[in-house]
Amino acid sequence: NAGVTQTPKFRILKIGQSMTLQCTQDMNHNYMYWYRQDPGMGLKLIYYSVGAGITDKGEVPNGYNVSRSTTEDFPLRLELAAPSQTSVYFCATTRTLNNREEKLFFGSGTQLSVL
Amino acid sequence: AQTVTQSQPEMSVQEAETVTLSCTYDTSESDYYLFWYKQPPSRQMILVIRQEAYKQQNATENRFSVNFQKAAKSFSLKISDSQLGDAAMYFCAHYNNNDMRFGAGTRLTVKP
Repeated sequence: NAGVTQTPKFRILKIGQSMTLQCTQDMNHNYMYWYRQDPGMGLKLIYYSVGAGITDKGEVPNGYNVSRSTTEDFPLRLELAAPSQTSVYFCATTRTLNNREEKLFFGSGTQLSVL
Repeated sequence: AQTVTQSQPEMSVQEAETVTLSCTYDTSESDYYLFWYKQPPSRQMILVIRQEAYKQQNATENRFSVNFQKAAKSFSLKISDSQLGDAAMYFCAHYNNNDMRFGAGTRLTVKP
């Protein structure tokens, strides 16, 4: 049981390049989230999804796009990378948080540098 | 949208002592959930404790407990008998309606 898998773990982009951060979960969770964590800061919500085919913007969606064609996958797309997007990106999932036993499961993060 | 504020960027505690980390939040909802997460240098996010807003009783998990003041929108974390392994970044988080928001974090140092 792999849980939440993020790839790649590290990436360096040039300004203006594009890339997709992959997130896959094998727990059959409905809810998936993308966060970014700037150095010394908390996590900011980029996008989230409550199920296949449904996505919604979070706090900081500009410069990013997402899709949710399957329950398992929730890729995050950067179209024109900018230095301000240098950050650590976390994917997280949960079945539901409206239950005492439920919690967010986090991936190990992707360290992205845009130079 | 809800906001979460952690006013203490850094805190320090002596091993075996008690420390309290502060968190306040702003929400218009009455039903929500609050969390404390720990992030060690490995970057892994570890759930420490959670609190359901409809419960008046403060949550406890071994050495970790919270002081939940719903009217004041305050959710502080108390760590008793601090251990070296408690050193980490601690994040307060608010969840409602599929939206999970985090505070900026408090870096906790534990002195031997």
